[in-house]
Amino acid sequence: GAVVSQHPSWVICKSGTSVKIECRSLDFQATTMFWYRQFPKQSLMLMATSNEGSKATYEQGVEKDKFLINHASLTLSTLTVTSAHPEDSSFYICSAKESYRGDEAFFGQGTRLTVV
Amino acid sequence: QKEVEQDPGPLSVPEGAIVSLNCTYSNSAFQYFMWYRQYSRKGPELLMYTYSSGNKEDGRFTAQVDKSSKYISLFIRDSQPSDSATYLCAMSADGGSNYKLTFGKGTLLTVNP
Repeated sequence: GAVVSQHPSWVICKSGTSVKIECRSLDFQATTMFWYRQFPKQSLMLMATSNEGSKATYEQGVEKDKFLINHASLTLSTLTVTSAHPEDSSFYICSAKESYRGDEAFFGQGTRLTVV
Repeated sequence: QKEVEQDPGPLSVPEGAIVSLNCTYSNSAFQYFMWYRQYSRKGPELLMYTYSSGNKEDGRFTAQVDKSSKYISLFIRDSQPSDSATYLCAMSADGGSNYKLTFGKGTLLTVNP
């Protein structure tokens, strides 16, 4: 149990275009979802936290107009990178947590974004 | 000083060795401590989860938390080549609605056959 599926696993896009990444909890209801960014040989940096049905809370320094997060249902959250630039190239990872399933968050497989 | 410090390694050991990984932290509010394993280009996989101080054992893995020293460890016994991965420590002050993980940089482990 506790499977989080992230799609796509990798994407290449042109500079200036937008990219949507999906994060789904397959066997539980994710009351809270988290989006992280990871640069090579660096740790995961939390970008934002989203609770189902409410606006996401962004970490300091993360542009909310550039990284649009939608958590419209208890099993799906999306991250849209708008007007992507090469410096947005990174590994994006979501995780999901259910309040009734203890204190653990489960991670998706990650999405490798390359902006050319 | 970063909230969570973790030696990035790399750490290379022979098969069968005991591996010791550790993290230190500065935020005394942390109460929930996790160890994740991350293979290259994959998402982290939860290995061990501990609340507050103490030890927890699961098969070949043992997690230790010493809140008085702000120090956590992960021990891997009888290490296998399949254990080769990056190990990330993570911690949170709150398990409820304010849950937010702070990660270490990760330690790259290679177990040589």
